[in-house]
Formats: sequence, C-alpha cells, structure tokens
Amino acid sequence: GEEVAQTPKHLVRGEGQKAKLYCAPIKGHSYVFWYQQVLKNEFKFLISFQNENVFDETGMPKERFSAKCLPNSPCSLEIQATKLEDSAVYFCASSQTEQASFSNQPQHFGDGTRLSIL
Amino acid sequence: QKEVEQNSGPLSVPEGAIASLNCTYSDRVSQSFFWYRQYSGKSPELIMSIYSNGDKEDGRFTAQLNKASQYVSLLIRDSQPSDSATYLCAVSRNQGGKLIFGQGTELSVKP
Repeated sequence: GEEVAQTPKHLVRGEGQKAKLYCAPIKGHSYVFWYQQVLKNEFKFLISFQNENVFDETGMPKERFSAKCLPNSPCSLEIQATKLEDSAVYFCASSQTEQASFSNQPQHFGDGTRLSIL
Repeated sequence: QKEVEQNSGPLSVPEGAIASLNCTYSDRVSQSFFWYRQYSGKSPELIMSIYSNGDKEDGRFTAQLNKASQYVSLLIRDSQPSDSATYLCAVSRNQGGKLIFGQGTELSVKP
C-alpha cells in the first residue's frame, strides 16, 4: 500500500496481559522501524528490520518485548506480561533502500497504536 | 547531554511572520537530518530532509545544515495558524539507521 498501516488503533489490556501490535509497511520499503512515544515525551527507538531480518535491536527491552517481520505477513510487536509503564503510542515506520547511497531515506510513519495498560 | 537537542518552546509567532526552529546534535557521524511535524494526537509527518551543508528550500520551508557546528534549523516563512504543531528534529547515521529525535519544539502561530 501507499501508507504504513498499523492495527489496532487502540488496545486496552490489563496489567500482566499480552499485547500484540501489527504493522504493514509501504509496499517496496525494505526497512521497518518501531518507536515508542510516552505521552508527549521523546520517541524511543525499539527495533528495526531489513526485510525479514533484525537490523538493529539495541532499543528493545530484553525480557518482555519481541518483534517479527515475516514474508507476506504484517510485522508484529508483542509485549508479554504488560506493565503500567508500557502505556504509550507505538509507531511503526518504513523506508526505502537507496542504491549506491549511504544516506538514510526518510521514514514514513503509520498512525500509531495507542496501548493503554490498566 | 541529549544526542539531539531542541528548545521545547512553546514558540509563539504572529501569522505571516518567520518561525525559526533550531536543533543541535552531538554525534559527528550523523549523515541524515530530518524535520517532522506532529499535530497533537497524530503521527509525525515528514517536512524536510537534508544531507549536505547549506540550505534546502521547499515552498515556505527552508532547512539549513551546518555539520561543522553540528546544527540544523528549519525556517517557516509566512507562518499560518495551520503550522501550529510540534516540530521534531531527527538525525540518523546511515542507511537503515534508527532516527534519534529531539524533544520537539511546540510552535504556536497566532492569527
């Protein structure tokens, strides 16, 4: 598609439950990124993929967070045993690969999934 | 010291004036620089990208980059009330690299 599609728009979970978020990148984009925005604070990078492969996972909390990008499926971000502090908007973004360039192509963001942990 | 720093504002300008938004970054390896606009409750929207020293103009927007000073700015000419939003400066190192965001500058354009 022409836009990054994220589902669901809102997700409410009780503390300790599992949450799973989905992202379909723009067709033809090879990079996918997940960011967390808590209230109006800064964006925190979580993880990125180049096609199906993890590209950078330095931002991922080690224990409860996992993510996948499988062929012919939306990418997913899963949080096990959610905590109140996981309440945030989770944005997915995608970007193209520019051949013969070291520059980073702009990332295009989805509308985000607002996760509320009660 | 934050990797990317912006004045949080709010920055208030009258309609029709020039709004000037500033950003500094600490990582000299950074190669790509972006300005995003985020309306309240919405997702970031790309305004400008800049990769080389100097100015880049697109309509009412001009981005300026000075790698020696590790400084990037965004000028908005003829500011409109619809420009009222939070402007996010973001930098990255290389292709496929994560974006490092500043804390954003809240801009308010008064009619």
